[in-house]
Amino acid sequence: DTEVTQTPKHLVMGMTNKKSLKCEQHMGHRAMYWYKQKAKKPPELMFVYSYEKLSINESVPSRFSPECPNSSLLNLHLHALQPEDSALYLCASSQSGDYGYTFGSGTRLTVV
Amino acid sequence: DAKTTQPPSMDCAEGRAANLPCNHSTISGNEYVYWYRQIHSQGPQYIIHGLKNNETNEMASLIITEDRKSSTLILPHATLRDTAVYYCIAAPNTDKLIFGTGTRLQVFP
Repeated sequence: DTEVTQTPKHLVMGMTNKKSLKCEQHMGHRAMYWYKQKAKKPPELMFVYSYEKLSINESVPSRFSPECPNSSLLNLHLHALQPEDSALYLCASSQSGDYGYTFGSGTRLTVV
Repeated sequence: DAKTTQPPSMDCAEGRAANLPCNHSTISGNEYVYWYRQIHSQGPQYIIHGLKNNETNEMASLIITEDRKSSTLILPHATLRDTAVYYCIAAPNTDKLIFGTGTRLQVFP
């Protein structure tokens, strides 16, 4: 299995809702990442997990809460989001050292 | 991580080589050059990376100048499916990759 699987592919949520994005990989990669991408902009790094521990938080608002239950799974819990949080949320994983990332196809989130 | 500069857009005829430049004049000795591309509405795709030597794989070739201040990604025979945004990133490892604005490559028939 050489893929990163993200679910759901599309999500519409209200500003008072709580929802979660899920990311899964079975390549034995030790690092997993969340990126946010607005339309016509490059992906922006949000969080990095290394060996299931949060190693980088790029000053992301607390309404985004990451979780890494095990080495294959990464969640992003969403609560009280704003319409400007609407974006494509991308998950990626990588092996150690100098190998490239494998990205999922993303979850397109719309906050109404 | 070193800043990279890429042209915002380029065109290439189908079947011709696409040469995408990247400037990274402040790159450190331990920083690799990574190339990714993002086809519309998909996640970015890793293409190739290198440190000093030129590299080639099934997707592309990477030419790094001797002073390492710039590099060129070469797609030898561009197809319509190569239309994408191409990102050049300089980083010491994959612990944290920061994407710049990239080059939008349009391959035309």
